[in-house]
Amino acid sequence: DAGVTQSPTHLIKTRGQQVTLRCSPISGHKSVSWYQQVLGQGPQFIFQYYEKEERGRGNFPDRFSARQFPNYSSELNVNALLLGDSALYLCASSSEQRRQETQYFGPGTRLLVL
Amino acid sequence: EDQVTQSPEALRLQEGESSSLNCSYTVSGLRGLFWYRQDPGKGPEFLFTLYSAGEEKEKERLKATLTKKESFLHITAPKPEDSATYLCAVPNQAGTALIFGKGTTLSVSS
Repeated sequence: DAGVTQSPTHLIKTRGQQVTLRCSPISGHKSVSWYQQVLGQGPQFIFQYYEKEERGRGNFPDRFSARQFPNYSSELNVNALLLGDSALYLCASSSEQRRQETQYFGPGTRLLVL
Repeated sequence: EDQVTQSPEALRLQEGESSSLNCSYTVSGLRGLFWYRQDPGKGPEFLFTLYSAGEEKEKERLKATLTKKESFLHITAPKPEDSATYLCAVPNQAGTALIFGKGTTLSVSS
């Protein structure tokens, strides 16, 4: 079975630009979460979506937005990119939105902002 | 505030030299503790979920244990391919996010 997939794998942008990252969850999973991981740190939570609705949001500015589509895939958008947005962006899926549900991660999108 | 702390930050072992990684947490009403392995530039790979104090789970050379305040990941007779960063995480109270520690980077040399 296919795991979580993300595209693109790598991306280079300049300050002020906008970027869209894409995620397809494991088949049958309805919940998608986004995390940002900078070098040397653990992943930091950005958003969770379940059944196309935002269920949680981390401590990130409004430049970050996301949505989930009827097929449960998801997009993360970041506007007005800053140098500090350079990171590995991870998507995770789980079958339901419960605290004890295991989240399975994709390979990530490496974003470099110059 | 919910918090996860992992120690040590880095660990160097010789092949066959067993050791343990620590994950301590401060959350009210624990609803699971998760261990992941992450290779450089890759996404975290799920290893274990522990739900209650006293629970243990094993996979090959890895064994995870849980107490009321911390979890240990024991590595028995490690091999170079066990080299990776090991992350632990707990769910937040709302169940909307995992709170991660910074990880322990394990290096095993032959």
